[in-house]
Amino acid sequence: DVKVTQSSRYLVKRTGEKVFLECVQDMDHENMFWYRQDPGLGLRLIYFSYDVKMKEKGDIPEGYSVSREKKERFSLILESASTNQTSMYLCASSNPSALTDTQYFGPGTRLTVL
Amino acid sequence: SQKIEQNSEALNIQEGKTATLTCNYTNYSPAYLQWYRQDPGRGPVFLLLIRENEKEKRKERLKVTFDTTLKQSLFHITASQPADSATYLCAPTTGGGNKLTFGTGTQLKVEL
Repeated sequence: DVKVTQSSRYLVKRTGEKVFLECVQDMDHENMFWYRQDPGLGLRLIYFSYDVKMKEKGDIPEGYSVSREKKERFSLILESASTNQTSMYLCASSNPSALTDTQYFGPGTRLTVL
Repeated sequence: SQKIEQNSEALNIQEGKTATLTCNYTNYSPAYLQWYRQDPGRGPVFLLLIRENEKEKRKERLKVTFDTTLKQSLFHITASQPADSATYLCAPTTGGGNKLTFGTGTQLKVEL
């Protein structure tokens, strides 16, 4: 079974802090994704990566950056956290060779910015 | 632009009944349509995938239909149980290594 892990389940940070959210998958998937999820807004794509050192902006990249130095790891960075970035953050991976784009999600990180 | 619609109102049903959830899409020609389950505070979990040339797909108590003419998928849970209570998301996709776009999901509550 695919396993996607995220570094923290809950995180509390202060406004202006630099925040790192880590995601690791163990199935050698090329594609990895970062979403945020807010009530009533559904899953919104922040960034995704098709390969090591490759990244593409999703629908809401402002205020975020990403890093993918190794195939299994995809990091989301909040350079200067703000209260409007309080949200549930979800990481996912997929295997493009499977053609169906099925995504496997981590458990999520609930981030609170005070 | 591409749009996915799922009923935003929660669906409340009695245990043992069949739950039916709807996913409508516009400006899409998906080759696949996927359904995911999400429990509160957790990540979505893949349940079922149906291809454009399949009318119906079953897995245990789950059944999915896909009508490319109506641009609609129906997700059925038969003999529903309280443990089926969750939010269900649909994701039509053209496939081929692309990103997914998810509907906002429908919350299902199965009551005793």
